[in-house]
Parts: sequence; structure tokens; C-alpha cells
Amino acid sequence: NAGVTQTPKFQVLKTGQSMTLQCAQDMNHNSMYWYRQDPGMGLRLIYYSASEGTTDKGEVPNGYNVSRLNKREFSLRLESAAPSQTSVYFCASSARTGGYEQYFGPGTRLTVT
Amino acid sequence: LAKTTQPISMDSYEGQEVNITCSHNNIATNDYITWYQQFPSQGPRFIIQGYKTKVTNEVASLFIPADRKSSTLSLPRVSLSDTAVYYCLVGDWGIMNRDDKIIFGKGTRLHILP
Repeated sequence: NAGVTQTPKFQVLKTGQSMTLQCAQDMNHNSMYWYRQDPGMGLRLIYYSASEGTTDKGEVPNGYNVSRLNKREFSLRLESAAPSQTSVYFCASSARTGGYEQYFGPGTRLTVT
Repeated sequence: LAKTTQPISMDSYEGQEVNITCSHNNIATNDYITWYQQFPSQGPRFIIQGYKTKVTNEVASLFIPADRKSSTLSLPRVSLSDTAVYYCLVGDWGIMNRDDKIIFGKGTRLHILP
């Protein structure tokens, strides 16, 4: 089992460019999440998907869109990147939402210049 | 989810037992307490979860008093490799209301010295 995989590992964008971060899990989990982590800070929830076909906003959704493509895959899109979106992005999955144990991917380090 | 408060940082020495306390005064009846560990450049990793009294696994113990307004993560005989950030979360299993946000906060930065 690969667990949670994310692509790409690193990305540099110019202000205004768009890109999609990909996430996939092979644990048959219902719920998936996208977080961002800024230097020295905790993780902040961007969006989550409680189950296939549903998505909902987290703490910091502005500037992002998500797609739950199927049960395995959950993508995060930046339509017009801004320097404030420079961060490390983590995808996670869990059997169910709420207090269930979450499994995290290795992260994508994004720099917007 | 209930808001949590943890110390920002702690130092300890190899071989000692480390206790990290988390306050969660507004914990709800159905909430569980979960701890995660994060190493630099990695995603958080689940350590332990509990509801009341004491839970122990091969990595740590979790102590929860009767009023459940706080919890203590205990790491026995720490080593240099236990240097990491530790997060305490409180939430209900399987419930994610519209106003619930999974809040990791800044966690506790634990530094183990030789």
C-alpha cells in the first residue's frame, strides 16, 4: 500500500498562473482533506470531502477549488496563484470525518513568485 | 471541534519521560482526543487516541482525567528522534458539522537534547 500520494513534490509558479495539486489514497477511505502549513505554523484546513461526491470549505478556502474525482482522488486547484499561497500543502484521508485518524501524504512545497 | 491549548515548546533530555499537557475546556460528550506527531518536511502522523482514563500503545500513553478538560501525552524514555511537533486535537468520530474545522493549531515543539 502506498497510502496517500501527492504530486508534484515541488512547484514554483508565477503570480497569476494556475495549477492543480493531485492527491490519491489507496486505503478505501471515505474522507479526504487538503491542508496548508506556513513556516512555523500549524496546519490549516482548506477544503475537505466527507465522502465521494461531496466537498466543503474548511478554515481558509479563499483562492482554492477542489474536486473529488472519485473515492481515491481529491485535487486542489489554484486558479490564479498569489504569493500569499506560498506554503506546504498536505493531503490527508480518513475512514470518516471528525475525530477519525487521518493519514497524511508527503506534501507539496509550493512557491509563488 | 473543541479548541485546544498546548505549550508552545518544551525541552527534555534523552532517556527521560516527557509529558505534554493539552487543555480542552469545551470538550463535548462525544469528543475523542487525538495526538499527532510531525517531523520536519513530513506530514503529521497519528500517535494515540482516547476518550477517558488511560490509553497505552507501543509509542505513548494518554492520560485523561475524569472531567476530560485536559489530557496528557506521555512519551517514555525519549530519544533524539522524538524531536518533533506534537498536536492535540479534539473531535467527534464521524461528525463534521458545517462549523467544525479540524484545528491543528501550532502544536508543541519538543526538542530532545543529548
